[in-house]
Amino acid sequence: GAGVSQTPSNKVTEKGKYVELRCDPISGHTALYWYRQSLGQGPEFLIYFQGTGAADDSGLPNDRFFAVRPEGSVSTLKIQRTERGDSAVYLCASSLADRDHPWYFGPGTRLTVT
Amino acid sequence: GQQVMQIPQYQHVQEGEDFTTYCNSSTTLSNIQWYKQRPGGHPVFLIQLVKSGEVKKQKRLTFQFGEAKKNSSLHITATQTTDVGTYFCAVNSGGSNYKLTFGKGTLLTVNP
Repeated sequence: GAGVSQTPSNKVTEKGKYVELRCDPISGHTALYWYRQSLGQGPEFLIYFQGTGAADDSGLPNDRFFAVRPEGSVSTLKIQRTERGDSAVYLCASSLADRDHPWYFGPGTRLTVT
Repeated sequence: GQQVMQIPQYQHVQEGEDFTTYCNSSTTLSNIQWYKQRPGGHPVFLIQLVKSGEVKKQKRLTFQFGEAKKNSSLHITATQTTDVGTYFCAVNSGGSNYKLTFGKGTLLTVNP
């Protein structure tokens, strides 16, 4: 079946603009994760959803970052007043549950803030 | 928070040579996952280890979890050019499997 999809694949925006990044998890996966990966680094945790609720958003860098998952499926990561330091690949992953199940990552959205 | 050290950072081998990457933690882990990320790609789940001393094999890949559950290794026998990529370990020491902390990865390049 289809894997995790993310749109857009690439996003170039100007400093100060607002962006939305979308994640479509694998159907039936209740757990959804957002990670951010900078060049040469491992993915860093941002937020975790179990169903519709954000079970843990402690990885969000500041209040410019916000994520939603209103119907327990698609999730949107929203970044306000973007800064050049926000440039990275934003990865979404999903799994059947939060234990003992493999995670499936999407292809990521490469965000570049100029 | 949970930290994990992964070594080496880079490894270049001739095709056919073996390769090993190590992941070390200062605290006891509940489980460890390994991922492979091809250049320009996204992390792909390889395996999860849960039990102390566990050894799992996937064709030419051998994964081990230390007896004290503080370290793990991934060994590739007779590397091929298709093995090129960055190998990450990811750990969680708590009761839930979310909020994995990834190592910085080991970039493997293979000379044909």
